[in-house]
Amino acid sequence: EVQLQQSGAELVKPGASVKLSCKTSGYTFSNYYMSWLKQMPGQNIEWIGDIYGGNGGTAYNQKFKGKATLTVDKSSSTAYMDLSSLTSEDSAVYFCSREDNNYYFDYWGQGVMVTVSS
Amino acid sequence: DIVLTQSPALAVSLKQRATISCKTSQNVDIFGISYMHWYQQKPGQQPKLLIYEGSNLASGIPARFSGSGSGTDFTLTIDPVEADDIATYYCQQSKDYPRTFGGGTKLELK
Repeated sequence: EVQLQQSGAELVKPGASVKLSCKTSGYTFSNYYMSWLKQMPGQNIEWIGDIYGGNGGTAYNQKFKGKATLTVDKSSSTAYMDLSSLTSEDSAVYFCSREDNNYYFDYWGQGVMVTVSS
Repeated sequence: DIVLTQSPALAVSLKQRATISCKTSQNVDIFGISYMHWYQQKPGQQPKLLIYEGSNLASGIPARFSGSGSGTDFTLTIDPVEADDIATYYCQQSKDYPRTFGGGTKLELK
């Protein structure tokens, strides 16, 4: 069974950084892309970027370049996203999601709420 | 970026048909495959894949869900609507980067 388990909720101060994790199981991590997505309360879903589990190759939404950095640890089948210089506009739920071969999102993590507040 | 446009809400009665549309600013077909996908999201939950590549039913999804369309016009149909289907539905394209989603259609009961 494919599973994506995300780390817990984060409360961070403005200007700080946070690192989110997405631990996977049930499939060959290095054969798939992993995407990260953002959803502000009551809002649309935004695609942040993706990373290939095999070689760590990345693609980013221009909107999130400089804000998000995606990495993977193949040894633990875990994907990570660093968010830097956090502001209130970064308060949102962040999802990781596996991409199937035609780049639709077939499995999702449960989401993690990031709250930026002093 | 490819823009996807959905109506914000749709009111429907139980056991009736719901038709949710998604229009794209560019053609999302390549060599006969529509890079258009549909998701269901309930409050406090992650989205769930319903339909991929325009019309293919995802694993475990009931047959009352179906997808159709091509090019720039796509439709998600739920027939008949059940109480458990009350949720927000999103379309998403994967023809180009960045991947983009529609604004979502909230399915409500009449």
